[in-house]
Amino acid sequence: QKEVEQNSGPLSVPEGAIASLNCTYSDRGSQSFFWYRQYSGKSPELIMSIYSNGDKEDGRFTAQLNKASQYVSLLIRDSQPSDSATYLCAVSSLTDSWGKLQFGAGTQVVVTP
Amino acid sequence: EPEVTQTPSHQVTQMGQEVILRCVPISNHLYFYWYRQILGQKVEFLVSFYNNEISEKSEIFDDQFSVERPDGSNFTLKIRSTKLEDSAMYFCAGPPPSAETQYFGPGTRLLVL
Repeated sequence: QKEVEQNSGPLSVPEGAIASLNCTYSDRGSQSFFWYRQYSGKSPELIMSIYSNGDKEDGRFTAQLNKASQYVSLLIRDSQPSDSATYLCAVSSLTDSWGKLQFGAGTQVVVTP
Repeated sequence: EPEVTQTPSHQVTQMGQEVILRCVPISNHLYFYWYRQILGQKVEFLVSFYNNEISEKSEIFDDQFSVERPDGSNFTLKIRSTKLEDSAMYFCAGPPPSAETQYFGPGTRLLVL
């Protein structure tokens, strides 16, 4: 059984601070890793993808991947109230059909003014 | 920005009735996916569809479910005899997530009474 685990939160972050979100996965065949943002009642929105070990930065977002530890993280710098949402970690595996995603349950982030 | 559209946005049905959910994916892409999200739970993969055939389906996608691309553009998910536990948000998505190009539709909220 392939698992993607996240802390459910809520993670309370002061405005302007860094939010740090973590995700672990069980399948060593996982090859692609994604972070989605989901506002309440809305569909997931892809914000970051990462495929190789190390860091990947896009604006205020940084994704970090450590395949040896089966760990992927997302940092949100200069957090804004509009960043308040649930952040979903998703993983795709070599053994699954292309593009199939396994999602974690998500971490709720609350940015307080 | 290209969109994935879904209709209806909301559907209320009686247990045992058939429902058809519709999706218009990004044109010229052969891959698309259906996911569902029960309220308060994780996004779950249902089925992937490639070039008018199912490429993978989950355990959830039993004989009560079917997918079709009846006219080359619309993409349908049919639930033949709905159960209470089918109440969820249903999302279609495409193409495969890569390079920040994967889109989820806005979803159909299905309520089975």
